[in-house]
Amino acid sequence: DAKTTQPPSMDCAEGRAANLPCNHSTISGNEYVYWYRQIHSQGPQYIIHGLKNNETNEMASLIITEDRKSSTLILPHATLRDTAVYYCIVRVPPGNTGKLIFGQGTTLQVKP
Amino acid sequence: GAGVSQSPSNKVTEKGKDVELRCDPISGHTALYWYRQRLGQGLEFLIYFQGNSAPDKSGLPSDRFSAERTGESVSTLTIQRTQQEDSAVYLCASSILAGDGNEQFFGPGTRLTVL
Repeated sequence: DAKTTQPPSMDCAEGRAANLPCNHSTISGNEYVYWYRQIHSQGPQYIIHGLKNNETNEMASLIITEDRKSSTLILPHATLRDTAVYYCIVRVPPGNTGKLIFGQGTTLQVKP
Repeated sequence: GAGVSQSPSNKVTEKGKDVELRCDPISGHTALYWYRQRLGQGLEFLIYFQGNSAPDKSGLPSDRFSAERTGESVSTLTIQRTQQEDSAVYLCASSILAGDGNEQFFGPGTRLTVL
C-alpha cells in the first residue's frame, strides 16, 4: 500500500469550509484513496473514497489531482462536531484483504 | 439496525493474566477485522477474517495473541500472559465483503489496561 503524508494539525472556523490535504506520490494506478475520521474516544468512521474522479457524498467532497499524487478532503460547512482526526488511506482494489493501514492523520480543530 | 458491538468496554488486568475481548459484527457482514490503537497513535491492523477463516494474521504482534471467529458471527481476540505494552484500545470492524467498495464499520473498542 502506498504511503500517505498529511499535516499533523489544522484549524477551521465553524461554518467555513475545511480543506484537508493528503500527499500520496507513490500511489499505483489501481489504488483507491479513502478517508476516515475518528472522533475522540470513538471508533473510526468512513467518510468517502475515490479512484480518479472527484467524488461527493452527504458528508464531504474528495478532489483528486489529475496525476493522482495528492488529494483534498473538503468539509463544506464545518461544525464543532467535525473536530476529529482525519485519516487519508490508500488501498488496493478487490482481491486484497481490505485491511486499512492508518498513518498519524490530521487533527482538525473546528473553532467557534 | 445495530452496529458493531464490543465487550467489555473497559478491561483492567494484571500483568501475566489472560484476557478475552469480544466482537459482534453487523449481521450479514462476512469480513471482520481487529485493530489495535495505542495511546496517541494510529490504528494497527492485527488480523482479518473472511467467514471463520483468517487469511491474514500478519499484524498479530506475538504468539500470545490469537483470535477465532464462529461462522460469520462473533469473534474473540485472546491475549495470553498480558504485558504492559499490550495496553491499548482494541477495535473491531466488519464489512459485507472484504476489499474495495465494502466499507468497514467500526465498533467502539475495548480499552485494555495491563497493570
